[in-house]
Amino acid sequence: SQQGEEDPQALSIQEGENATMNCSYKTSINNLQWYRQNSGRGLVHLILIRSNEREKHSGRLRVTLDTSKKSSSLLITASRAADTASYFCATELYGNKLVFGAGTILRVKS
Amino acid sequence: DADVTQTPRNRITKTGKRIMLECSQTKGHDRMYWYRQDPGLGLRLIYYSFDVKDINKGEISDGYSVSRQAQAKFSLSLESAIPNQTALYFCATSDAGQGNNEKLFFGSGTQLSVL
Repeated sequence: SQQGEEDPQALSIQEGENATMNCSYKTSINNLQWYRQNSGRGLVHLILIRSNEREKHSGRLRVTLDTSKKSSSLLITASRAADTASYFCATELYGNKLVFGAGTILRVKS
Repeated sequence: DADVTQTPRNRITKTGKRIMLECSQTKGHDRMYWYRQDPGLGLRLIYYSFDVKDINKGEISDGYSVSRQAQAKFSLSLESAIPNQTALYFCATSDAGQGNNEKLFFGSGTQLSVL
């Protein structure tokens, strides 16, 4: 079974709205990362949050991590059509293994 | 200029054929990985290598083999392809061995179809 599971599986919003994606995981982690994938392309790293951090920002991205609930959320503010992509959380387990979830498909309508 | 290059981009083959997917990188990273992506399942790790002489199985290594010919090259082979190996395959690199976190850099992928 997946270490990381994203929710929702798919999300459709209007341009300008905020998009929130959630990730839950099962075991203790070293850090949690979010990646983006445009259709059929390779994944691109977006942001990393360490297990001792609770919130991190990068441009329009805001990531939170709650280790007590084993969950993370990715917020994209003021979304644009170009944000349309799949978003994956990946948990780095101790020993440097990175395990990916199944992803959230985000569609931003203009 | 791609830092992680995969060849071919697309490949159609028949059941039972031997296939090799190649990956090369110019990032100077020690660690290299092969993942496969299936719809709805995310990415699953096939094999990984932390150094030229280091090969490790991932969660779904059966039916696959790898060769790390040099720091910059990591190839994936399907000895006898079967239809359920139809998937999008990604090579990735990381510099985590140099004291950094395990942030991955991906190639553009190889879409493999086994008929």
